[in-house]
Amino acid sequence: AQSVAQPEDQVNVAEGNPLTVKCTYSVSGNPYLFWYVQYPNRGLQFLLKYITGDNLVKGSYGFEAEFNKSQTSFHLKKPSALVSDSALYFCAVRENQAGTALIFGKGTTLSVSS
Amino acid sequence: NAGVTQTPKFRILKIGQSMTLQCTQDMNHNYMYWYRQDPGMGLKLIYYSVGAGITDKGEVPNGYNVSRSTTEDFPLRLELAAPSQTSVYFCASSYSGTQNTEAFFGQGTRLTVV
Repeated sequence: AQSVAQPEDQVNVAEGNPLTVKCTYSVSGNPYLFWYVQYPNRGLQFLLKYITGDNLVKGSYGFEAEFNKSQTSFHLKKPSALVSDSALYFCAVRENQAGTALIFGKGTTLSVSS
Repeated sequence: NAGVTQTPKFRILKIGQSMTLQCTQDMNHNYMYWYRQDPGMGLKLIYYSVGAGITDKGEVPNGYNVSRSTTEDFPLRLELAAPSQTSVYFCASSYSGTQNTEAFFGQGTRLTVV
C-alpha cells in the first residue's frame, strides 16, 4: 500500500532564510510525487511534481524539491523564504500503476517570520 | 474556466439527516476523488473513481456513498449524518492518460453535524 509521511507538524523560518519541508514515501513500484500548498479557507494548489529524470524538480513560486530514491524522500525547498509562503504544505504520492489513487501526507504548517 | 466546482460551501446538518455534496468538473478528467480534511490529520481519501460507472473505496469510506453516472459529476452522499463526519470535504479531479498528472481541487465544503 502507498503511504506518505511528513514528520514535522510545523516548520518555522525567518524571512530570507532557506526552508525545507520534509516528506518520505512508501510505494511498491515507481512513485509519482507531488507537493501542494493550501492557504487558509482555500482548496489545494499544485506546486510541483516528480515523474522521472532529474532528481531536482522546480515548481511554482520559486519552490523546488529533491527526489532521493535511496532514502525514499521528496523534500520541498526554497532558497529564500517569504512571509507570503506561510501556509499548509502537503506531500502526495501515486504509484505508477493504472487505477491507483493519490495519497496525501498529514501536512506541514510553514510559518515564515519577518 | 470553472475547473472543479463544489456545492454547497457550508452546511450544518442535524444528526441522522442526509445530504449530498455536489462536485462537477469541466476538464474532461476521468479520475475524480473525494477527500476529507481534519485538523492535524491531512487529507483522507473517502472514495475515488477512474471513470464513469466505476468507483472504489478509499481509506475512510464508512458512512458515505458515491456514484459516477457521468464524466463530469461525482456526488458524495451522507445517509445518516454523525458528529464524526464534521469535516471539510474536498473534491478533486485529474487526467487519466498517465498516472503522473496532478489533481485539481475544488474550494471545499465545510460540513458541521450537530
